[in-house]
Amino acid sequence: DTGVSQDPRHKITKRGQNVTFRCDPISEHNRLYWYRQTLGQGPEFLTYFQNEAQLEKSRLLSDRFSAERPKGSFSTLEIQRTEQGDSAMYLCASSRDSSNYGYTFGSGTRLTVV
Amino acid sequence: GDSVTQMEGPVTLSEEAFLTINCTYTATGYPSLFWYVQYPGEGLQLLLKATKADDKGSNKGFEATYRKETTSFHLEKGSVQVSDSAVYFCALSGFSSGDKLTFGTGTRLAVRP
Repeated sequence: DTGVSQDPRHKITKRGQNVTFRCDPISEHNRLYWYRQTLGQGPEFLTYFQNEAQLEKSRLLSDRFSAERPKGSFSTLEIQRTEQGDSAMYLCASSRDSSNYGYTFGSGTRLTVV
Repeated sequence: GDSVTQMEGPVTLSEEAFLTINCTYTATGYPSLFWYVQYPGEGLQLLLKATKADDKGSNKGFEATYRKETTSFHLEKGSVQVSDSAVYFCALSGFSSGDKLTFGTGTRLAVRP
């Protein structure tokens, strides 16, 4: 069990550019979640997958955001035409069957849009 | 919808002091309740959980009891250490929130030697 891995750890991008983040969950976990955390706030839900199916998306996930989990293993989160308001920590988590058991979080990707 | 309210920080304590961080919630039905901890520069780690009323979650000297009558899940530790300095998040997973966690805003704890 190597934990949940996220790449990159930090990303600085210019406004208007596209960025993509990757998350590798714990291998036996079939659920994968994306959250966003801004300074001084708790994580906010963005979306989650069970295997390769995207089961729920938050209203926070505008049409500039897209997430995939093509083979039910790793996932990517892409932000197109980044805005300064997208600056945040993007957290990935995975769990076995249900959030009732608690998630395992990755260390996050910190995005700074300049 | 579901929500979690935590006491605002920062909370500053001397080593070996008693810690309480208050957490109350609003949810439909019987949610599961969690405390997560975030150390500087790291992701969130599950500290403890309770899945039904009157359950007590405990880990690393921390405890929290699921109180349905007061909709609370306060975090306590009898004697804090400098290494406990971190941000603590209360969270719930409930019927109306589907299969996702709803977090509070976090409480920063600083422990002085």
